[in-house]
Amino acid sequence: EIVLTQSPDFQSVTPKEKVTITCRASQTIGSSLHWYQQKPDQSPKLLIKYASQSFSGVPSRFSGSGSGTDFTLTINSLEAEDAATYYCHQSSSLPRTFGQGTKLEIK
Amino acid sequence: QVQLVQSGAEVKKPGASVKVSCEASGYTFTDYYMHWVRQAPGQGLEWMGIINPTGGSTNYAQKFQGRVTMTRDTSTSTVYMVLSSLRSEDTAVYYCAAGMDVWGQGTTVTVSS
Repeated sequence: EIVLTQSPDFQSVTPKEKVTITCRASQTIGSSLHWYQQKPDQSPKLLIKYASQSFSGVPSRFSGSGSGTDFTLTINSLEAEDAATYYCHQSSSLPRTFGQGTKLEIK
Repeated sequence: QVQLVQSGAEVKKPGASVKVSCEASGYTFTDYYMHWVRQAPGQGLEWMGIINPTGGSTNYAQKFQGRVTMTRDTSTSTVYMVLSSLRSEDTAVYYCAAGMDVWGQGTTVTVSS
């Protein structure tokens, strides 16, 4: 089973700040890494697929990069509505797995 | 637009089974594998398994092997997830997700005596 480790677990940030969340895989997964945003009491929403492809309708301030074992989600010019928990997820092999999540708090 | 509508909340006693449905619309049902993911209160996301809506083949996470069954009905574009021998630790929100791109609204399952 591929283990995904996100950092940080929690981050408190101010609006307009640039945020970077990392996800490290326990073995190489190519570009089979996806990012989700989950707000309280809502379903997760896909932001980035295959490491760097923006999903339809996602604001351009969200971007992803990386390959192999190290991946990054970047949020440029953070907005208040970006307060959420962010998860990475791998589709390289079964069982599918998720990172533990990174909670973003807006100051 | 692609939409997944799940069945309503359930309260079950330990040892019982629960059946959650997920009706798909807005796309060709057989185009996307359907995943099931659960989230215990205050916890992260946990992948349970996947079903191929074309042939009905499945793959379950080892943790749920023997307790979970995923099926589909192509005539109604609906997938089902049955979890049996419920215990309190199964209290969670259960989600279906088409190709892991679009998710249902979630179904809360509470297991309590």
